[in-house]
Amino acid sequence: GNSVTQMEGPVTLSEEAFLTINCTYTATGYPSLFWYVQYPGEGLQLLLKATKADDKGSNKGFEATYRKETTSFHLEKGSVQVSDSAVYFCALSTNYGNNRLAFGKGNQVVVIP
Amino acid sequence: DTAVSQTPKYLVTQMGNDKSIKCEQNLGHDTMYWYKQDSKKFLKIMFSYNNKELIINETVPNRFSPKSPDKAHLNLHINSLELGDSAVYFCASSRDNLGGQPQHFGDGTRLSIL
Repeated sequence: GNSVTQMEGPVTLSEEAFLTINCTYTATGYPSLFWYVQYPGEGLQLLLKATKADDKGSNKGFEATYRKETTSFHLEKGSVQVSDSAVYFCALSTNYGNNRLAFGKGNQVVVIP
Repeated sequence: DTAVSQTPKYLVTQMGNDKSIKCEQNLGHDTMYWYKQDSKKFLKIMFSYNNKELIINETVPNRFSPKSPDKAHLNLHINSLELGDSAVYFCASSRDNLGGQPQHFGDGTRLSIL
């Protein structure tokens, strides 16, 4: 079945630091990959997506590249701000699952001033 | 204009009660979903409708019953509420049910069972 694995545990870092959140996946066929962000007390918002191998999704300074050879979609940002504090979810969907999203467990990111 | 709106935002009730959560989207999308987020933030699909037809029905207790009166609305009715039903329930929509369509989420309904 389809599954997404995110690195364990919260991520705490200082403002202007470099952020990486690892995401690997297992899927039948060729999935589309997503990063969603959840700010406190809110729903999920699409941060970026990639639909085929070697695609790079980018938004608000965040980037992730669809790597088929390593089945990964790691999220990066070069210089985080306090306002980036949120929970980040990696997810995938395929053409075989009626677009259901399989989510990773999420990573709480806390940016300290 | 809110794209996907859920009501109520908070729902506090006692065990054994029956409650409903409503969801509406004004994006003109064909497909709507219900997800459950547990206390550890893990998200799991529950149901999905495409043009009022049920297309995803995960293994959830049959106390949970979705209803889609039209493609802009997907409601969730829960009978005989139990402590384990305490969670945040998210409604979402997408243009259609083909893989790769981004989903737009509501702000969630926080259900607490006393």
